[in-house]
Amino acid sequence: EDQVTQSPEALRLQEGESSSLNCSYTVSGLRGLFWYRQDPGKGPEFLFTLYSAGEEKEKERLKATLTKKESFLHITAPKPEDSATYLCAVQARGSQGNLIFGKGTKLSVKP
Amino acid sequence: NAGVTQTPKFQVLKTGQSMTLQCAQDMNHNSMYWYRQDPGMGLRLIYYSASEGTTDKGEVPNGYNVSRLNKREFSLRLESAAPSQTSVYFCASSEGTRAGTPLHFGNGTRLTVT
Repeated sequence: EDQVTQSPEALRLQEGESSSLNCSYTVSGLRGLFWYRQDPGKGPEFLFTLYSAGEEKEKERLKATLTKKESFLHITAPKPEDSATYLCAVQARGSQGNLIFGKGTKLSVKP
Repeated sequence: NAGVTQTPKFQVLKTGQSMTLQCAQDMNHNSMYWYRQDPGMGLRLIYYSASEGTTDKGEVPNGYNVSRLNKREFSLRLESAAPSQTSVYFCASSEGTRAGTPLHFGNGTRLTVT
C-alpha cells in the first residue's frame, strides 16, 4: 500500500534556529514527490516537486532533498513568517495525477 | 487570475440534507480533484476527473457524487449528509496527469453536519 509518513507532527523553533522536516514514503513506483505549505484557513500551496534520488530544490530559506525512501525539507534561519503546516505528498505509478498526502508537520517559529 | 475558486466558504447542514459544493478554475487545466481534510487524517481523495468527460472514485467516495460540468467546473454533491461528512473540502486542479505535475488548491469549504 502506498503510504506517506511525516515527522515530527509539530516543531517549535526560535527565529534563526535551522532544522529539518522528514517525509518517509512507501510507493509502488515514484512518479514525483511534492512539498506543500498550508496556512490556517487556506488551501495547500505548492512548493517543490522532486523526481529522483539525489535531487535537490531550493526556494528562499527552504531546501528539499530526496533519497530512495525519504525526503527532507531543510529550513535555514527560519523567520516567524515561515510558520505553517508543511505537507508532503507522492504521486504513484498508475496515478491519474492524484497525490497521496502525509498528515503534515506543523512548524511554529517564535521571534 | 483567481486560480481555483470554491463556493460556499462555510456551510452548516442538518443530517439528511443535501447540497452541492462548487469549484471552478481559470487556468485552463485538464484535471480536477476533490479532497477532504480531517484533523489527524491528512488529505484524502474523494473523486477526480482526469479530463473533461471522465470521473473516477478516489479513496473515500461513499456518500458523494461528482459532475464535471465543463473544463472549468467540477462539483461535489452530498445527497444525504451525515455527521461523518463534517470536514474541510478542497478542490484542486492540474495541467494533466503527467508525472510530477503539481495540484493547485482552492481555499476550501468548511462543512459542518449536525
